[in-house]
Amino acid sequence: SQELEQSPQSLIVQEGKNLTINCTSSKTLYGLYWYKQKYGEGLIFLMMLQKGGEEKSHEKITAKLDEKKQQSSLHITASQPSHAGIYLCGVLGGDSWGKFQFGAGTQVVVTP
Amino acid sequence: GAGVSQSPSNKVTEKGKDVELRCDPISGHTALYWYRQSLGQGLEFLIYFQGNSAPDKSGLPSDRFSAERTGGSVSTLTIQRTQQEDSAVYLCASSLTTGSYEQYFGPGTRLTVT
Repeated sequence: SQELEQSPQSLIVQEGKNLTINCTSSKTLYGLYWYKQKYGEGLIFLMMLQKGGEEKSHEKITAKLDEKKQQSSLHITASQPSHAGIYLCGVLGGDSWGKFQFGAGTQVVVTP
Repeated sequence: GAGVSQSPSNKVTEKGKDVELRCDPISGHTALYWYRQSLGQGLEFLIYFQGNSAPDKSGLPSDRFSAERTGGSVSTLTIQRTQQEDSAVYLCASSLTTGSYEQYFGPGTRLTVT
């Protein structure tokens, strides 16, 4: 099965500062998803990347998939308290179409 | 519009009891997924349904776990003879179909087995 490793496990950032989360796969990524999780709200879809070198942005969040399609990064510019939560990268499993596999997640805390 | 809903939001049960967790997917979504997230761990896939096809049960951790999806809509995840290690947040998601489509997640059910 495909292993997804996220780093760091947790991150404390001062409001207004930038932060980056990485997601590394043991195999080529065909469809890499980023989600955000807040307790009681379920997972919120952020974006999906498919092509090597692809970059997508939504508000102050930018995600990139490297050319080799084995690593993705999520970058938040000028962090706000609303950015606090757990960020998860996920990929569709190769042995069962439709089965998602997620990384362990990165907990982001934004301090005043 | 209505998203994925799950009930109950919290469930505390005694070890050895059976529990049922419910998921209402988004109307029209043919694919439905169950995951669980244990403390300090990532999301773990449990089972998924696609239309009327036989469900993919490969992620179910033991035969105490089972799931049904009636009429291609509402799904129930049943855990029999609960154990303390079953304590987790159980998340349900639905998507228009399987494949590279967005999965929409419900808020989850927090299960605590005492």
